[in-house]
Amino acid sequence: AQSVTQLDSHVSVSEGTPVLLRCNYSSSYSPSLFWYVQHPNKGLQLLLKYTSAATLVKGINGFEAEFKKSETSFHLTKPSAHMSDAAEYFCVVSGSNAGKSTFGDGTTLTVKP
Amino acid sequence: DTAVSQTPKYLVTQMGNDKSIKCEQNLGHDTMYWYKQDSKKFLKIMFSYNNKELIINETVPNRFSPKSPDKAHLNLHINSLELGDSAVYFCASSPGGRATDEQFFGPGTRLTVL
Repeated sequence: AQSVTQLDSHVSVSEGTPVLLRCNYSSSYSPSLFWYVQHPNKGLQLLLKYTSAATLVKGINGFEAEFKKSETSFHLTKPSAHMSDAAEYFCVVSGSNAGKSTFGDGTTLTVKP
Repeated sequence: DTAVSQTPKYLVTQMGNDKSIKCEQNLGHDTMYWYKQDSKKFLKIMFSYNNKELIINETVPNRFSPKSPDKAHLNLHINSLELGDSAVYFCASSPGGRATDEQFFGPGTRLTVL
């Protein structure tokens, strides 16, 4: 069994300030973890993924995430928010196979000028 | 070149009608998926196909029937549409069905049932 919890449904930051989107997971397997971004009226796009290699994962557009097994967390961060980062973000856990991926409920990121 | 494409982008129809959504991927992937995203943006997997064979069929009403004529195409047919079917439907593909595989998503089809 597996589950994923995105701890914040909405996050609002000012442009140029750090971004933190929180994700906790549970999995009976050694999990693969993903963050996807969905801009308005678009499909989902992969930001980054963790697949049991380095615990600090760097993704596109300056985002990174750290896998912390002891805390069962995979939080997404970015040092400085840009207006174009405003979007919906999904944390995903995949245990046995990709078809059994579990999506979090999403976090809406708002970036204020 | 569009990696995963869906048609139509918008679909407005009356209750009780039958409609289809088409999906094609040109990535050479073996696995394709259908997801439903509701008005609160929650995403749920509906079906997964690997090399034209159904491997995942979540608790979806029988009115929904996927069809995969070849591994590059996965179409979704919906019979007797209901108001609750209104949602955005996303097609996706991945190289295989491994847990480490990234999924590539189409742009979505917004279905509105009146």
